[in-house]
Amino acid sequence: DAKTTQPNSMESNEEEPVHLPCNHSTISGTDYIHWYRQLPSQGPEYVIHGLTSNVNNRMASLAIAEDRKSSTLILHRATLRDAAVYYCILRGAGGTSYGKLTFGQGTILTVHP
Amino acid sequence: AAGVIQSPRHLIKEKRETATLKCYPIPRHDTVYWYQQGPGQDPQFLISFYEKMQSDKGSIPDRFSAQQFSDYHSELNMSSLELGDSALYFCASSLGLAGLQGYTFGSGTRLTVV
Repeated sequence: DAKTTQPNSMESNEEEPVHLPCNHSTISGTDYIHWYRQLPSQGPEYVIHGLTSNVNNRMASLAIAEDRKSSTLILHRATLRDAAVYYCILRGAGGTSYGKLTFGQGTILTVHP
Repeated sequence: AAGVIQSPRHLIKEKRETATLKCYPIPRHDTVYWYQQGPGQDPQFLISFYEKMQSDKGSIPDRFSAQQFSDYHSELNMSSLELGDSALYFCASSLGLAGLQGYTFGSGTRLTVV
């Protein structure tokens, strides 16, 4: 599976925007970029995913670099409830990486009041 | 909206006992994934099923087995439990293996082996 690299931790203040980076230099043309987050003692929660174009939904925005070797999850106004571990995951469209999500080390986001 | 239901939420077993974890996917989801998350660890993929057939296998011990039933619910059977099996077990479901609408995770079963 293609590998992703994220910072171990990031901090933000409440109501400020947060930009969570993810590097995936070995991404293949058919890999989707997924973001999930996990609050303590809860199951991972889907945030957003994309392939080539930037994506927006009610939770966040996903900015994908033109060469697709990196992406950024954008939380427009962080709240205390956004404090979680954020995982950037590449999900392949075929082969051994098809279907399952392979979690790597995510980014622990701390939000200060 | 209906979510992925896992039962039980908590389970305490002794070493060498067996345990059965159940997962009920979102209605119309035909694909189920099982993950194990040890303390302070990231979720590790165990096994998945698509349309009642095993679709992929990860780092699942031979002591564990799983299946998906005709109603698409899945059960993870764990035998000869060891202390190291203590973990959170998550189930996720998706519509098709492509999961183009995302994957929905349950709240997990916390298994404690004593």
